[in-house]
Amino acid sequence: GAGVSQSPSNKVTEKGKDVELRCDPISGHTALYWYRQSLGQGLEFLIYFQGNSAPDKSGLPSDRFSAERTGGSVSTLTIQRTQQEDSAVYLCASGWTKETQYFGPGTRLLVL
Amino acid sequence: GESVGLHLPTLSVQEGDNSIINCAYSNSASDYFIWYKQESGKGPQFIIDIRSNMDKRQGQRVTVLLNKTVKHLSLQIAATQPGDSAVYFCAENNAGNMLTFGGGTRLMVKP
Repeated sequence: GAGVSQSPSNKVTEKGKDVELRCDPISGHTALYWYRQSLGQGLEFLIYFQGNSAPDKSGLPSDRFSAERTGGSVSTLTIQRTQQEDSAVYLCASGWTKETQYFGPGTRLLVL
Repeated sequence: GESVGLHLPTLSVQEGDNSIINCAYSNSASDYFIWYKQESGKGPQFIIDIRSNMDKRQGQRVTVLLNKTVKHLSLQIAATQPGDSAVYFCAENNAGNMLTFGGGTRLMVKP
């Protein structure tokens, strides 16, 4: 079956612009995570959605970052007024719990 | 704060040899651990997991060992193949909604 998909696969933007990254989770998965992975680094948790519960936003690095999950399915991560330090791979994962996370291929963001 | 870390950032092995990737964790309350494999340009892939009530778990060519006394986790890959070349992450499940990931070890397999 289809796995987690993310779009775009690559995004180049100019400093100060806003970007939107999309995640299509595996159908039926109630949990959805966003992570950030800087070059050669581990995964940094950003935000977590579980069903209809309020999202856990504790990992968002600043108020320039926000995410939505519409209808319990597709999620969009928005970064406003991008900075060069936002350059990274943004990974989405879905599952039923935090122990069953299936990752997408990621979106590679480069802020010039 | 509590964290998961790795001893070796890069491991180079000969094809056919066994590989051992190590991970140290500091949260004694963690009760579940996962190893992920991340190939270049892809997202992490689940390899194997283990719960804290176990010391060892085996999969296909992979074995995870858990030593709770010294808070150490290892991934053993038997007969390492070129396709095993990747970055390997350990992750722990403690309190909260997220897994805590280690920094990763790059495994390079020499033909």
